[in-house]
Parts: sequence; structure tokens; C-alpha cells
Amino acid sequence: GESVGLHLPTLSVQEGDNSIINCAYSNSASDYFIWYKQESGKGPQFIIDIRSNMDKRQGQRVTVLLNKTVKHLSLQIAATQPGDSAVYFCAEGYNNNDMRFGAGTRLTVKP
Amino acid sequence: DADVTQTPRNRITKTGKRIMLECSQTKGHDRMYWYRQDPGLGLRLIYYSFDVKDINKGEISDGYSVSRQAQAKFSLSLESAIPNQTALYFCATSDFSGTGQETQYFGPGTRLLVL
Repeated sequence: GESVGLHLPTLSVQEGDNSIINCAYSNSASDYFIWYKQESGKGPQFIIDIRSNMDKRQGQRVTVLLNKTVKHLSLQIAATQPGDSAVYFCAEGYNNNDMRFGAGTRLTVKP
Repeated sequence: DADVTQTPRNRITKTGKRIMLECSQTKGHDRMYWYRQDPGLGLRLIYYSFDVKDINKGEISDGYSVSRQAQAKFSLSLESAIPNQTALYFCATSDFSGTGQETQYFGPGTRLLVL
């Protein structure tokens, strides 16, 4: 299988439950944030983004929350499905010139 | 994402060999990037290019070089491969719109093993 993320934090949830994946970012000046999903053997895939002038953004089954006070970002996945199993990582950007990526969290969905 | 392709998908090479990883995109994006991914670490930027005449070093450019042959093509070379360059390499493109948001679209990756 995919060797990426051998030592990543893991989250295991039951199918149908909601998942919350957290990310602490480093630069208080970062103004743009993205969540990516990376399935085994594939490249990262854009899920949802949020700008620093927002604290919440919703997509289809996903919600991103941004807390700038504590430099924390979370991704909520509603009604988690087996196809959601992947590594999820956040990215922070500043002034369009520098994107930094977190190592990620491995989500496993149990049927 | 089929719009960003990488070749080869897997490569085994020996220390000291020169190799090239290729990336092509059909998204029409000006910006292209090369990253490496190692177990337990986030993506790290090697080189990036904002257009055909613009090449910039990223966080970990030592031991690598790039060529932007056209808007659609961005290749990464390891001049003399060493074992600690064993990693998963990703090419990405972005649709920078000037509004402060830049979403990067990634290729499927090239797994490189340097013996």
C-alpha cells in the first residue's frame, strides 16, 4: 500500500458518524487555507478552502472552521462513508507566494 | 486529476545517475510546482514556476533542477541521485486568479527509489 503517512495521527470512525479532523497552522499572517484529501496511490485532491476573513465555510458534506485566535483549522465530514478513508491535510497560504502543507491525518472509516 | 499527468509513475535508479521526472498539464494554468512528500512529513516545495520564463527555488532545491519547456510542461531533474532523494514527487498547477486564492491541482505522483 501507500507508504505516505506511516507515522501520521490517525482517526477511526464508524460509517455514518461525523468526523472532525484538526490542523494547527503556524503563521498568524496566513490568509488562505485549503483542505486536501489524498487517497492511497493518488495525488492530493482539493476539498474545500477558506479565507481568513471567514470563520466557517460549507461544502457538500464538509465544513471547514477557522479559529484565527488559536491558529486552528478543522474539517468536519458529515455522515462519513468508506470512500472518505484517506489522508487529509491542511495547507496555509500567505500573500499567494507561499503555501505550507501539514503532514496530515489518516482517516479510516469502519463499515 | 487527469488534467495533470506525471511520467514515470515509478522509477528505480542508482546513486549517481541523472534522472528526469516529467509533468504535463492541460488545465492552461501558468503556475506549476514540484513537491516531494516523505512519510510523516507535509509536502515540501522544490521548485516553482509562475510562467515559462520564471523559475524559482523552493524550500529544498539543492540537488534538483527544473526546466519549463512550455506552459504545459515542467520537468524536474536529479543531476546525481542520492538515496535520501527517495520520495514521492508531485507536480501541481494552480489557477491563481489574483483574488488572493490559489488552489493547486496535483498530479498522481512519481514514486522514486534511489539505491
